[in-house]
Amino acid sequence: GESVGLHLPTLSVQEGDNSIINCAYSNSASDYFIWYKQESGKGPQFIIDIRSNMDKRQGQRVTVLLNKTVKHLSLQIAATQPGDSAVYFCAEIVLTGGGNKLTFGTGTQLKVEL
Amino acid sequence: SAVISQKPSRDICQRGTSLTIQCQVDSQVTMMFWYRQQPGQSLTLIATANQGSEATYESGFVIDKFPISRPNLTFSTLTVSNMSPEDSSIYLCSVEGQGAEQYFGPGTRLTVT
Repeated sequence: GESVGLHLPTLSVQEGDNSIINCAYSNSASDYFIWYKQESGKGPQFIIDIRSNMDKRQGQRVTVLLNKTVKHLSLQIAATQPGDSAVYFCAEIVLTGGGNKLTFGTGTQLKVEL
Repeated sequence: SAVISQKPSRDICQRGTSLTIQCQVDSQVTMMFWYRQQPGQSLTLIATANQGSEATYESGFVIDKFPISRPNLTFSTLTVSNMSPEDSSIYLCSVEGQGAEQYFGPGTRLTVT
């Protein structure tokens, strides 16, 4: 399949370790943040989201942390598995009445080593 | 989440020609979005398509180059006109979910020679 991560920063982790993927966002007025996972040859897949009035949200094996003071977002993946290998994008949203526009970050390629 | 399909999944086209990409959703949605993902890059919003009105284009994208149709609440097309090699990208459509999140189709991989 085609890779979309050829020019992206890469994070390599051992299978079973925890992964932390970071994202710096630009707009202090953003209301909502989303993490997406994009596997080779596929469209982005929604993982988890967090509203700007929260600082932490947990899902299944994933945790998102939001630090509005420094405009930083992180995605933590517990017990990383080979199936987690993908490119991960953060996206920020300013809520409007006419279609909420996503602004995507640059992405990070996660490689899980066996 | 909605199930979204795109046609074609990939194509190789000659410069100067046009390609129309279709996006079909399995449920009625108000807004549909079209994105471009250049090789090794992140996603950039091209335009927002609301049924029954003209699409709203982002800075750097114009209707003459990327005409969009939105004939009903489950379907949209994006045309890439007068293509050049710089148009080689993945083109993705998306729809909003229950909240502000968006769900994406599988993408159309376009190569212009």
